[in-house]
Amino acid sequence: AQKITQTQPGMFVQEKEAVTLDCTYDTSDQSYGLFWYKQPSSGEMIFLIYQGSYDEQNATEGRYSLNFQKARKSANLVISASQLGDSAMYFCAMRGNNDMRFGAGTRLTVKP
Amino acid sequence: NAGVMQNPRHLVRRRGQEARLRCSPMKGHSHVYWYRQLPEEGLKFMVYLQKENIIDESGMPKERFSAEFPKEGPSILRIQQVVRGDSAAYFCASSPASGYSGNTIYFGEGSWLTVV
Repeated sequence: AQKITQTQPGMFVQEKEAVTLDCTYDTSDQSYGLFWYKQPSSGEMIFLIYQGSYDEQNATEGRYSLNFQKARKSANLVISASQLGDSAMYFCAMRGNNDMRFGAGTRLTVKP
Repeated sequence: NAGVMQNPRHLVRRRGQEARLRCSPMKGHSHVYWYRQLPEEGLKFMVYLQKENIIDESGMPKERFSAEFPKEGPSILRIQQVVRGDSAAYFCASSPASGYSGNTIYFGEGSWLTVV
């Protein structure tokens, strides 16, 4: 069975600084995908970034990058130059051969 | 993603009534997922469907909950005899195919069920 763990219920970061949100996973699938989603207070789920298990390069999307360490089974999200609008819940997710499972989430608060 | 359409966005039901939540996947997508999110909690997987097939329903409560994805029309999540504990946001997501590949999953905007 797949398991996703986000150990940080809440994080604070100063505006314009970088922040790392942790995510570890466990799976027996050989091939899998790792995702990060943002959920602002309005409730919608916004896709941020994707990393395939066979991708050799860490994924980057603008200010988002995914620090993928396969041997450690971690897929941390790095947000550079934090903005006030980054304040939201962030969910790590993993997709194996079938369904997609989510971590419990981290609430990020960006301080002005 | 606006491509996955969920309705209603907000639904109020009295205890004991039925709730039906609909999800139209993005065009070309044949896989649908339903998730439930309780207040201040993460998304909990409920069920994964392909057209006319339930692939994985391991997250569905054994009673009162059912889901379908017919050949034509939207996917339906049906909750019979609702109780206050069913109050939650229900998210639908769709993807074009299964497997780990770069096909990401696109979410609808959610349906908020309130049981009074």
